[in-house]
Amino acid sequence: NAGVTQTPKFQVLKTGQSMTLQCAQDMNHEYMSWYRQDPGMGLRLIHYSVGAGITDQGEVPNGYNVSRSTTEDFPLRLLSAAPSQTSVYFCASSPAGDPYNEQFFGPGTRLTVL
Amino acid sequence: AQSVTQPDIHITVSEGASLELRCNYSYGATPYLFWYVQSPGQGLQLLLKYFSGDTLVQGIKGFEAEFKRSQSSFNLRKPSVHWSDAAEYFCAVGAVDTGRRALTFGSGTRLQVQP
Repeated sequence: NAGVTQTPKFQVLKTGQSMTLQCAQDMNHEYMSWYRQDPGMGLRLIHYSVGAGITDQGEVPNGYNVSRSTTEDFPLRLLSAAPSQTSVYFCASSPAGDPYNEQFFGPGTRLTVL
Repeated sequence: AQSVTQPDIHITVSEGASLELRCNYSYGATPYLFWYVQSPGQGLQLLLKYFSGDTLVQGIKGFEAEFKRSQSSFNLRKPSVHWSDAAEYFCAVGAVDTGRRALTFGSGTRLQVQP
């Protein structure tokens, strides 16, 4: 198992550009989520999905879109990048059942918006 | 809404010394509680979790945490710290009464280990 994979590892964008952060898991987990990590603020939930075709907003969803067409993939789209979106982005997945089974985190994507 | 406070931003201990990292949460019922560790440049790894049962929880790498309802705390402890424990530690709470199944994280405590 590769676990949770994220691409790219690093990305630099200019203000106004769009891009998609990729996240995939090979553990057949139903639940997937995106967090951003900023210094001194821990991780904050952006969007999450409880299964294919089902997504919902988290704590800081503005400026981001998600979709979940398959169990394996959960891409995060930045529609028009802003410097405030400079952050490290983590994708996580967990299995169904116990609401708080361990969440498995990817290695992160470091995004800089100029 | 739930919240988590980690009062110590940065802690330095000597190798072999004991460690306690503080975590206080705010939530109306008994939450799910977690400690995660993040090594530099890495993702997060679960150390331990608590929902019910014995209030002293054992985790990986020799860590344990104690849930104290009266103090709304879930402090992480290790009797003897190793240099490889240097990392950032996050306490997190998960709400039971929503379908969100997402975690609210504290701001983290960075642990430095002196030789």
